Amino acid sequence: DAGVTQSPTHLIKTRGQQVTLRCSPKSGHDTVSWYQQALGQGPQFIFQYYEEEERQRGNFPDRFSGHQFPNYSSELNVNALLLGDSALYLCASSYDGQGDGYTFGSGTRLTVV
Amino acid sequence: DAKTTQPTSMDCAEGRAANLPCNHSTISGNEYVYWYRQIHSQGPQYIIHGLKNNETNEMASLIITEDRKSSTLILPHATLRDTAVYYCIVRAYNNNDMRFGAGTRLTVKP
Repeated sequence: DAGVTQSPTHLIKTRGQQVTLRCSPKSGHDTVSWYQQALGQGPQFIFQYYEEEERQRGNFPDRFSGHQFPNYSSELNVNALLLGDSALYLCASSYDGQGDGYTFGSGTRLTVV
Repeated sequence: DAKTTQPTSMDCAEGRAANLPCNHSTISGNEYVYWYRQIHSQGPQYIIHGLKNNETNEMASLIITEDRKSSTLILPHATLRDTAVYYCIVRAYNNNDMRFGAGTRLTVKP
């Protein structure tokens, strides 16, 4: 049973560019959450998608947007990249209605130069 | 969600019990205590959660004080592979915003 799959694993972008990160949830999960983790810090909640809609959002600017597809997979898009967007981006999946633990992927390491 | 306070770092000898404390003095009645850990270069891994009763699973035990203002995660026989950052999080069951703090860096030593 595959867990959460994220792609790519590493990415280097230039300031001002746009980036798309992808996530496939664990089998049986229907909810996807995205987190940003800067070096040496805990993950910070970006937003969560359920039924193809953004259900809850953390304190992130509109440059961060997302999408969820009918197969529950999700994308995170970041526009107008800043140096400060360099971080590990984590995707977590869960089954709606259950407060049990999220399953996290290994993340995408984004470096903005 | 209530804020949590954890020690920055802890050491534990291999084979001994690791007891990781967490203070959550402002926890609300409907908030659960969750524990995750993050091994270097991996995503966080769910360990255990509880509301007010002590909980145990194959990975760890969770002890919550009667007033629910603090809790302790216990790894009964720590191994070198348990070296990780451990996060204590409190959140309402239906709150989708799970907030991580800085966590406790546990180092298990031979």
